[in-house]
Amino acid sequence: QKEVEQDPGPLSVPEGAIVSLNCTYSNSAFQYFMWYRQYSRKGPELLMYTYSSGNKEDGRFTAQVDKSSKYISLFIRDSQPSDSATYLCAMKTGNAGNMLTFGGGTRLMVKP
Amino acid sequence: DGGITQSPKYLFRKEGQNVTLSCEQNLNHDAMYWYRQDPGQGLRLIYYSQIVNDFQKGDIAEGYSVSREKKESFPLTVTSAQKNPTAFYLCASSMAPGTNIQYFGAGTRLSVL
Repeated sequence: QKEVEQDPGPLSVPEGAIVSLNCTYSNSAFQYFMWYRQYSRKGPELLMYTYSSGNKEDGRFTAQVDKSSKYISLFIRDSQPSDSATYLCAMKTGNAGNMLTFGGGTRLMVKP
Repeated sequence: DGGITQSPKYLFRKEGQNVTLSCEQNLNHDAMYWYRQDPGQGLRLIYYSQIVNDFQKGDIAEGYSVSREKKESFPLTVTSAQKNPTAFYLCASSMAPGTNIQYFGAGTRLSVL
């Protein structure tokens, strides 16, 4: 079993829809949670960063962490064709020496 | 513009050949990383370096080698011992070792001829 699980998709939605992307994880020591967006043939770019449980909002994007369920989500409101990309979740323990652990990514397609 | 530059964008390797992927950053970051990305597998850590002249193996270091002679440069060599080198290779950097936020280059796609 992978340490971080993410549905690979593709997830296809119409423009304007609310998108929900999710990751589950098994390591209860994870404390820092990130979402990266990766366009085709490009490097990932950081989209959202949260610490511990709770919600964080940035424009059309909301990141949600539920540590009790070991489940994180990224919501995209009013989705646009430019949101079409692969979304990678990443997480890390509080130990400064540890590295990021990535999910496999979910491919999102927003159709006009 | 500050950032991470990877070159070349595409690379082809012949059997038995070593190839080197370049990664340069002008962000003044201490830590640098190399990842391999295969479809559906996310990013897997090959090597990382926390400081000049020091580097550590990641999860899949076999068949790869690195050097860190300068703060801004962290080249990756894919050796002939790596039997399945076809993948997308990503270089990243972070301000300090183990820092949560990493910044990525645009990647190098390596294929075998």
